[in-house]
Amino acid sequence: QKEVEQDPGPLSVPEGAIVSLNCTYSNSAFQYFMWYRQYSRKGPELLMYTYSSGNKEDGRFTAQVDKSSKYISLFIRDSQPSDSATYLCAMILTDKLIFGTGTRLQVFP
Amino acid sequence: GAVVSQHPSRVICKSGTSVKIECRSLDFQATTMFWYRQFPKKSLMLMATSNEGSKATYEQGVEKDKFLINHASLTLSTLTVTSAHPEDSSFYICSAPIGGSSYNSPLHFGNGTRLTVT
Repeated sequence: QKEVEQDPGPLSVPEGAIVSLNCTYSNSAFQYFMWYRQYSRKGPELLMYTYSSGNKEDGRFTAQVDKSSKYISLFIRDSQPSDSATYLCAMILTDKLIFGTGTRLQVFP
Repeated sequence: GAVVSQHPSRVICKSGTSVKIECRSLDFQATTMFWYRQFPKKSLMLMATSNEGSKATYEQGVEKDKFLINHASLTLSTLTVTSAHPEDSSFYICSAPIGGSSYNSPLHFGNGTRLTVT
């Protein structure tokens, strides 16, 4: 079993839709939880990060962490074509950042 | 704006030559930087941890003599791919922790370097 599981997609949605991206993890010792967005041929861009269970909102993005279920989510409201990218969840375990495989999202006009 | 700058963004070299990639932290100091490698449609794989003033720490399976890392200052780490071969062709990305020095910190990434070895 991988430490971090993420559905690779692709996920294709119409413009304006609410997008839900999810990751599960196996090790309860994971600390910080992050979401990165990566456009093709670019480095990952940090979108959100949180330490505790619960929700954190930033504009159209909401990050949700449920430590009891070992489950994290990223919600994107009013999705735009410019949101089309690969979204990677990541978690920190002591001194290592562990990535999910990434979910490819396509938002069509 | 970008907080981690990586150069060059793209490089093509001949087999057997060496290539140096630079990673700079902008407006902050980083005693630790990380080097990742990413294959097409795959996630990022940590190659090594670059430590200012000391030797880099390499992940299992990464050849330290092939991938030379130098962290000479608090804002600059370099990765040199020595005697490059076509199988070294990949996307290399550096990163630095938001706090500059803490391991348990989210990372900012550079924009990557696409290396093609012919």
